[in-house]
Amino acid sequence: EVQLVESGGGFVKPGESLRLSCAASGITFSDAWMSWVRQAPGKGLEWVARIKSKTYGETIDYAAPVKGRFTISRDDSKNMLFLQMNSLKTEDAALYYCTSHFDYWGQGTLVSVSS
Amino acid sequence: QTVVTQEPSLTVSPGGTVTLTCASNTGAVTSDYYPNWFLQKPGQTPRALVYSTSNKHSWTPARFSGSLLGGKAALTLSGVQPEDEADYYCLLWYGGAWVFGGGTRLTVL
Repeated sequence: EVQLVESGGGFVKPGESLRLSCAASGITFSDAWMSWVRQAPGKGLEWVARIKSKTYGETIDYAAPVKGRFTISRDDSKNMLFLQMNSLKTEDAALYYCTSHFDYWGQGTLVSVSS
Repeated sequence: QTVVTQEPSLTVSPGGTVTLTCASNTGAVTSDYYPNWFLQKPGQTPRALVYSTSNKHSWTPARFSGSLLGGKAALTLSGVQPEDEADYYCLLWYGGAWVFGGGTRLTVL
């Protein structure tokens, strides 16, 4: 059974940082292209970042609103995906999902940003 | 700025057929955009339905089909069931970024 379990969400003030984690099981993580997708309360889905597998050079892409502030990374030895979020803004508040190839999704971790 | 447009809402009768579309402000959507479709019910995680235009996942019901139609990506539901009532999102690849559509709320009435 595939499981993606996000953690690390919380309540922060604008300008602060958070690091999200996603623990994967039931998939060959090292082969997976992993993404973070977010959803603000009552809003639609927004793609945040994607990291390819090592075979594909761990190529990384970011959505324009987060480029330069967020960093996606992975640890294949631990089957873990990360999202380092710096200089957080109120508009970054959302439920953050981890997804493998957009096939499998976690339950999400909630990030709240408010002064 | 890249904008992906879906119908905000559609209504269909049980047993009917409905087509949801996904358009790009950059021009016609082709298979090079690798269209994906997802379903999300209230309070639930998104569920993948279709990838790369028309490929279904093992769990995707046969009544769902993806295609390209008139310069847009399309998701057709044939023989709609009450449980198909949900929000549907398309996702397109722009060669450096993925962009979701705003979603279509499908009501089965």
